[in-house]
Amino acid sequence: KAGVTQTPRYLIKTRGQQVTLSCSPISGHRSVSWYQQTPGQGLQFLFEYFSETQRNKGNFPGRFSGRQFSNSRSEMNVSTLELGDSALYLCASSLGGRRVTEAFFGQGTRLTVV
Amino acid sequence: AQSVSQHNHHVILSEAASLELGCNYSYGGTVNLFWYVQYPGQHLQLLLKYFSGDPLVKGIKGFEAEFIKSKFSFNLRKPSVQWSDTAEYFCAVIPNQAGTALIFGKGTTLSVSS
Repeated sequence: KAGVTQTPRYLIKTRGQQVTLSCSPISGHRSVSWYQQTPGQGLQFLFEYFSETQRNKGNFPGRFSGRQFSNSRSEMNVSTLELGDSALYLCASSLGGRRVTEAFFGQGTRLTVV
Repeated sequence: AQSVSQHNHHVILSEAASLELGCNYSYGGTVNLFWYVQYPGQHLQLLLKYFSGDPLVKGIKGFEAEFIKSKFSFNLRKPSVQWSDTAEYFCAVIPNQAGTALIFGKGTTLSVSS
């Protein structure tokens, strides 16, 4: 079955702009989580959506937001981009529900802010 | 704050050498533990996971890990590494039973020379 699909793969934006990243989870998965990966900070959890509701949130400023649609696809938005937002943004999908299950990751979107 | 520590930033081994990568976490309650691998240019893939039961878990490609609750550790092992094991390895924890918010260690880069 198809894996987690993230679009676009690469983005270059200017400081102050906003950006929207998209994630299509594995069919049947209802939970989508977003992570930021940088050389300095490693992998950090941004937020998780389950059944169109944000279920968990990491320690990122309000400029980072997301949403999930009824088909479980998710988008992440970053407003007023800063140079420090340059990173690989990873989406992970899982079955969701009350039991912890493994998360499957997409290839990521490489965002460069100039 | 909950954290995951990986002891080695970069490990260099020759083919056929044995591997052990250390991982310690700071959370004292029920934990779910994971090792992920990121091969060059590829997405994060799950190597193995521990939810409950036998503390010695076996994963893909000959990897195994042992959960030692008293030491808050989940070390990854492989008896004989191959050149194709060159990758970055991440230990991760989900410290509670709700959601899929993975807390990752900073990662260990493994370089295997042939």
